[in-house]
Amino acid sequence: RKEVEQDPGPFNVPEGATVAFNCTYSNSASQSFFWYRQDCRKEPKLLMSVYSSGNEDGRFTAQLNRASQYISLLIRDSKLSDSATYLCVVNIDGAGSYQLTFGKGTKLSVIP
Amino acid sequence: GAVVSQHPSRVICKSGTSVKIECRSLDFQATTMFWYRQFPKQSLMLMATSNEGSKATYEQGVEKDKFLINHASLTLSTLTVTSAHPEDSSFYICSAKEGHTEAFFGQGTRLTVV
Repeated sequence: RKEVEQDPGPFNVPEGATVAFNCTYSNSASQSFFWYRQDCRKEPKLLMSVYSSGNEDGRFTAQLNRASQYISLLIRDSKLSDSATYLCVVNIDGAGSYQLTFGKGTKLSVIP
Repeated sequence: GAVVSQHPSRVICKSGTSVKIECRSLDFQATTMFWYRQFPKQSLMLMATSNEGSKATYEQGVEKDKFLINHASLTLSTLTVTSAHPEDSSFYICSAKEGHTEAFFGQGTRLTVV
């Protein structure tokens, strides 16, 4: 089983749509969880951290379910500028160290 | 936010030559730097972790003699791909962090070996 597994995608959605990405991780000792956004041929950029209580940043909502080892990202009112690859990222070690393990990413295309 | 500068952004080299990639933290002291490699349509794969002043820790399957990492100062780490071959063509990205802060990524280097 892969350490971090994401929806295969790609997701092609119209502007204004709501889209949800899912991610599962295999190591129950994982401590930190993130969603990154990566534009084509660019470096990944942190979109948001994910907390057990769930967190929201504008149109973006992230949820963490530790019991199911499941992370989600919800994007509401999609914009053309949201088109990118979304990477689920987990800090596997969690013992004070910081080694990120990336999912393969899910590509989102928002269509006019 | 913190800035990490990676250079060059693109490089084309001949098979058998060596290429050096630089990663600099511009406004903070990077106690730890990470080097990743990303093949097309694949996830970022950690190659090695380096702490300033000590030897890098390489991930399983990454040849330390082929991918030389130097982290001689708190603001600079370098990755040298020695005797590059076409299969080394990839997108290489560094990230840097200070203490327990989040890691920031460089812009990446697209290496093409011909």
